[in-house]
Amino acid sequence: AQSVTQPDIHITVSEGASLELRCNYSYGATPYLFWYVQSPGQGLQLLLKYFSGDTLVQGIKGFEAEFKRSQSSFNLRKPSVHWSDAAEYFCAVGYGGATNKLIFGTGTLLAVQP
Amino acid sequence: NAGVTQTPKFHILKIGQSMTLQCTQDMNHNYMYWYRQDPGMGLKLIYYSVGAGITDKGEVPNGYNVSRSTTEDFPLRLELAAPSQTSVYFCASITPGQGGDTQYFGPGTRLTVL
Repeated sequence: AQSVTQPDIHITVSEGASLELRCNYSYGATPYLFWYVQSPGQGLQLLLKYFSGDTLVQGIKGFEAEFKRSQSSFNLRKPSVHWSDAAEYFCAVGYGGATNKLIFGTGTLLAVQP
Repeated sequence: NAGVTQTPKFHILKIGQSMTLQCTQDMNHNYMYWYRQDPGMGLKLIYYSVGAGITDKGEVPNGYNVSRSTTEDFPLRLELAAPSQTSVYFCASITPGQGGDTQYFGPGTRLTVL
C-alpha cells in the first residue's frame, strides 16, 4: 500500500540558513509527488509537484525538490529561509490514476529563528 | 474567482447531533474531495466525487455521508456526531488531466464534538 513518511516532526532553523525537509514514499508505480505548505489557520497551498521529466523541480517561494527513485525520496530544499517560511509542510503522493487521490505525510513544522 | 469556499469556519456540536459542512467551488472543477486533519497527522481522505451524481469512499468514510447534485457543491454530512469526529475538515477540487493534477484547498472547517 502507498504511504508517505516525513521523519522530522519539528525543525528549527535560523533565518538565512538553508533548509532541507525529508520525505520518503512507498508506491508501486511511478509516483506523483507533491509538497504543500499550511500556514496557521489556513488551507493548504501547493509549493511544487513532480510527475515526470526533470527530477529537480522548482516551485514557488524559492523552494525546490529532488525526486530520487533509488531512495524513494522527494526532499524539499530552500537555500535561504525567511521568517515568513515558518509553517507546516506536507509531502503527499498521488494515487488512483485519474482520480488524483492523495496520501499525505504527517507533516513537518518549521520554526524560523531570527 | 473565490476558489473553494467552506462554511462554517468553526462549529461546536453535541454528541449525537447531526450537521452538514458546506463546500462550494466556482472554478467548474469536476473532481472534489473531503479530507480531515487531526492534530499531528496529515490529511486523510473521507470521500471524493468525480462529477455530479458520482461519489466514492476514501480512507476514512465511516460516520460521514456525501452527495453531489451540482458541479459546484459537495456537502459533507455528519450523522450522530461522536468526539472522534473532532477535527479540521478541508474540501478540495481539481479539473484533472492525466493524473498528478493540483488540488485546490478551501480554508477548512474546525469542528469540535462535545
